[in-house]
Amino acid sequence: DTEVTQTPKHLVMGMTNKKSLKCEQHMGHRAMYWYKQKAKKPPELMFVYSYEKLSINESVPSRFSPECPNSSLLNLHLHALQPEDSALYLCASSHPMLAEQFFGPGTRLTVL
Amino acid sequence: GDSVTQMEGPVTLSEEAFLTINCTYTATGYPSLFWYVQYPGEGLQLLLKATKADDKGSNKGFEATYRKETTSFHLEKGSVQVSDSAVYFCALSVPLNFNKFYFGSGTKLNVKP
Repeated sequence: DTEVTQTPKHLVMGMTNKKSLKCEQHMGHRAMYWYKQKAKKPPELMFVYSYEKLSINESVPSRFSPECPNSSLLNLHLHALQPEDSALYLCASSHPMLAEQFFGPGTRLTVL
Repeated sequence: GDSVTQMEGPVTLSEEAFLTINCTYTATGYPSLFWYVQYPGEGLQLLLKATKADDKGSNKGFEATYRKETTSFHLEKGSVQVSDSAVYFCALSVPLNFNKFYFGSGTKLNVKP
C-alpha cells in the first residue's frame, strides 16, 4: 500500500458543530502532517507528529485539535470553526530516512 | 530563514512547447529540493526530487537540477502536453526539523492544444 487516504472527501459544517477528519497510511511512515490550503495558495503547515508525538504546532487556533492514536492514523478534530476556516485540508506522511512527503487527496471543508 | 521563491504564473503554452518554471531558494544547511504537481481538486503529487548539489531529478519528461552555486532548482520539460496543465510547487525540506517543508507560491501551467 503506497498511498495516504483521507476521509471524508467533502465536509460541510456549521459553526457550532463538532467534526473530525481522518488520515491513514500503511507505508510504515513515522512522521505525519496536517496542512491547510486556501485557493490559489501553497499548503500551510499546521501540525507535525513524529513517532506519534506532537512535534510542531504552527500556532494553530485551539478549535483545531490533532490526535495521533497510532503510527498509521492521524485525526483532526474540529470544533466551533469560523467561515474563514473553509479550505482544503491535506494530510501527508514521510519515512524517517527520506525527505519527501506523500500527500493524501485532501478533505474539502466548508464552514457555514 | 529558509524560503522558496517561484516564478509567478499563470504560464500559458501551446502543446509541444518547451517549459521552464524558475525556482530559487534560501536555506541554512543542506536542504532537499522537490517539485510537486497539483491537479484540480486533488492533493499534491511528488514529481521529482534532488537531495544534494548537482543531483538531477527526473520523471515523466520533467527534469530539474540542484544548483548550489545559484541556489536554484528550475523545472524543465522539452515538450508539454495538455495533460500537464496543473499547478506546480517547488519546495525544500530542512533536515533535523522533522522534514518541515517550505513551499513556493505555486505556478499554474495552462497548455493549449
